[in-house]
Amino acid sequence: ETGVTQSPTHLIKTRGQQVTLRCSSQSGHNTVSWYQQALGQGPQFIFQYYREEENGRGNFPPRFSGLQFPNYSSELNVNALELDDSALYLCASSLASGSGETQYFGPGTRLLVL
Amino acid sequence: QKEVEQNSGPLSVPEGAIASLNCTYSDRGSQSFFWYRQYSGKSPELIMSIYSNGDKEDGRFTAQLNKASQYVSLLIRDSQPSDSATYLCAVNMFSGGYNKLIFGAGTRLAVHP
Repeated sequence: ETGVTQSPTHLIKTRGQQVTLRCSSQSGHNTVSWYQQALGQGPQFIFQYYREEENGRGNFPPRFSGLQFPNYSSELNVNALELDDSALYLCASSLASGSGETQYFGPGTRLLVL
Repeated sequence: QKEVEQNSGPLSVPEGAIASLNCTYSDRGSQSFFWYRQYSGKSPELIMSIYSNGDKEDGRFTAQLNKASQYVSLLIRDSQPSDSATYLCAVNMFSGGYNKLIFGAGTRLAVHP
């Protein structure tokens, strides 16, 4: 157990809907990163939050957005869902945003878009 | 060229044998490297991290890093059926004040009794 929690565990949505996924980081960790893992692929970096600010973003459209709260928990919001958004969404927390910090993953949220 | 490349497998080894998993990466500036294990339907679990050239051992696992060749490997000694999983190689890229993990697609390992 990494101490990183995510909710919900599974979710089914239809195209065009919006979804919010939640993550609680490991105690003492102030950095949260979000990844999308499609079936048979490695996780792809979406963005990272450090002390409530987005400080890095991967190659994902603006309909993917996020928040980090003062307790360092985080949300991932996806608007206008598309079929290709079906994936495992992973949250990872780390002690800081510096180089080399180990990231610990939560159990993930499996999203199915119909 | 993909940023992090792994053979997709499956790599099939008999129980008790050594499993050798390989990974190459493209960014010469990368300094931190990780191996994660992922069971089907589960999230990645950290097995090893390595930062310096050479070998790093932890129990049955040995990570090897060669920055000149941009190559990372993971050896699993005395492989067990419970080691059957997908192994993800991840390279930490640090730029613009943040770090992100770049993953390979993973190598599926099957250990048969």
